[in-house]
Amino acid sequence: EAQVTQNPRYLITVTGKKLTVTCSQNMNHEYMSWYRQDPGLGLRQIYYSMNVEVTDKGDVPEGYKVSRKEKRNFPLILESPSPNQTSLYFCASSYTLAMAQETQYFGPGTRLLVL
Amino acid sequence: SQQGEEDPQALSIQEGENATMNCSYKTSINNLQWYRQNSGRGLVHLILIRSNEREKHSGRLRVTLDTSKKSSSLLITASRAADTASYFCATDTGRRALTFGSGTRLQVQP
Repeated sequence: EAQVTQNPRYLITVTGKKLTVTCSQNMNHEYMSWYRQDPGLGLRQIYYSMNVEVTDKGDVPEGYKVSRKEKRNFPLILESPSPNQTSLYFCASSYTLAMAQETQYFGPGTRLLVL
Repeated sequence: SQQGEEDPQALSIQEGENATMNCSYKTSINNLQWYRQNSGRGLVHLILIRSNEREKHSGRLRVTLDTSKKSSSLLITASRAADTASYFCATDTGRRALTFGSGTRLQVQP
């Protein structure tokens, strides 16, 4: 089944404790992206990647890191989480950047609470 | 501020009624898309309308686009309880990212 998976789905952590949220897609998509969703603010893009070893900042990259060593995986890293990073996180992918402008496939989301 | 702003923020209707939600945006776009999000789940792409199109249909969905007013509407006809979800518009402005609005929460009462 074609899908985008994220792990973990739920995470409670404490300020400053490094964490990684994994994202994997099995559709051979070149484009992958991370969003955060906060009440009243919609989805905001954190980082995106157009292909392996090619990543770039989105609208709200502060406090986050990403890597794209393999085509299928795009982990989101919070080196030192803070309470303002409490949010619902979505990974998304598409065949290409051009296709990403027309449709994206979303993972199920990761709900993060930073205490 | 958001490129896409949905209106209303929340909508409650009875099963069988039509649901209309609107999206306004600020800058010129290449296309506009509507996504659906069931509670606690990821977004699912519903329909795309390009800047040179005025209306598009897909099943019970009808989308209109008025580029002069920078607005779009999504109409769901003969709504069902299963249509209960949040609906988001997203715009492609030529940047390397879609810009999402804050969504309309639709509740369809059986």
